[in-house]
Amino acid sequence: SQQGEEDPQALSIQEGENATMNCSYKTSINNLQWYRQNSGRGLVHLILIRSNEREKHSGRLRVTLDTSKKSSSLLITASRAADTASYFCAISLMNRDDKIIFGKGTRLHILP
Amino acid sequence: EPEVTQTPSHQVTQMGQEVILRCVPISNHLYFYWYRQILGQKVEFLVSFYNNEISEKSEIFDDQFSVERPDGSNFTLKIRSTKLEDSAMYFCASSVSRHEQYFGPGTRLTVT
Repeated sequence: SQQGEEDPQALSIQEGENATMNCSYKTSINNLQWYRQNSGRGLVHLILIRSNEREKHSGRLRVTLDTSKKSSSLLITASRAADTASYFCAISLMNRDDKIIFGKGTRLHILP
Repeated sequence: EPEVTQTPSHQVTQMGQEVILRCVPISNHLYFYWYRQILGQKVEFLVSFYNNEISEKSEIFDDQFSVERPDGSNFTLKIRSTKLEDSAMYFCASSVSRHEQYFGPGTRLTVT
């Protein structure tokens, strides 16, 4: 399968702690994106990182990409209750970026 | 900030009926997509659409499915004869280029 695979499947941390989610994939990519989905709701785009980039920041979010290891990580610093959601990585394949392929997601639960 | 909109938010239909899910992509976007997410599962690509034609479709997108851009703003997904297994969240997305895709809030389709 070419899809991104997130790790862990579920993560519970205390509010204020940092949350790290990982994504691995098997093929060459054009870019990798992270999305958030609150239960039963739509997908919210968080960050896109291109294959020639190694790190990107957006507010409390930090994404890294290691194309040699075919892996990416999403770090949420100083977590808040509102960060409770599922987080998906999605890959855009090299030379086939008509679609993006989603992983199964990590369910993040921030404990008060 | 411009966003993708979808109607209805929830559609209930009987097996065998035709349904049309509607999407209004972001106005200057050129690429349009449909994805679906069966409850508890990952988001799956259905079809991409560019320049008034399908550019790619998945195995899921069989003869029961069709897409149309009837005017300059709407992008629709039609399911001709719904089956129970078509019950899912259907997400529309659009993009300027073939990279960062913006997703709508989804239409929850329930087939009874």
